Amino acid sequence: SSELTQDPAVSVALGQTVRITCQGDSLRSYYASWYQQKPGQAPVLVIYGKNKRPSGIPDRFSGSSSGNTASLTITGAQAEDEADYYCNSRDSSGNHCVFGTGTKVTVL
Amino acid sequence: EVQLVESGGVVVQPGGSLRLSCAASGFTFDDSAMHWVRQAPGKGLEWVSLISWDGDSTYYADSVKGRFTISRDNSKKSLYLQMNSLRAEDTALYYCAKGGDSSGYPFDYWGQGTLVTVSS
Repeated sequence: SSELTQDPAVSVALGQTVRITCQGDSLRSYYASWYQQKPGQAPVLVIYGKNKRPSGIPDRFSGSSSGNTASLTITGAQAEDEADYYCNSRDSSGNHCVFGTGTKVTVL
Repeated sequence: EVQLVESGGVVVQPGGSLRLSCAASGFTFDDSAMHWVRQAPGKGLEWVSLISWDGDSTYYADSVKGRFTISRDNSKKSLYLQMNSLRAEDTALYYCAKGGDSSGYPFDYWGQGTLVTVSS
């Protein structure tokens, strides 16, 4: 199967830490990338490869992976981190890719 | 500054055809693989198609294979998506996205999208 499963929603208190997980068989072979999407906006890449952050992404965002699970951690969540987050990975063929089901993060 | 600007989205009847365009600037277009990704209203992201930097290799999601064709014109720094036999379930905001490295991944820049509505 080329599915990536995420929890539909998580909440975090302001300044606390939240971890978002993404599960799928393809993650045993390929790194996940993570995208933040705020309402009415295009997705933004926040983490890719082995815990790499694009320029301009705060260092409170980090990524990790173990077995068939990839994780995105926000350490010290801010109000502006409230958004939908999607993981993505190539599938077993290597030529296609799949997005996770998405996680809505609410900052309380 | 990298810019990707999609156009061509309209209301089209089921069974109809449409061509989307994406104009790129601010990076070396002919060095970059490019993708189309779509998002149905209120739903998640769905990868649609990938084209290599030179246009020689193309890949499609099963949901669009045989109906959609991705292409590019490097001289015009433009990406295209020809959509045929459109269905109601193709209704979505269509984004073009730049591939980040030689593998075509990750999607390091995105356009703002163009809305395709398939309805009678």
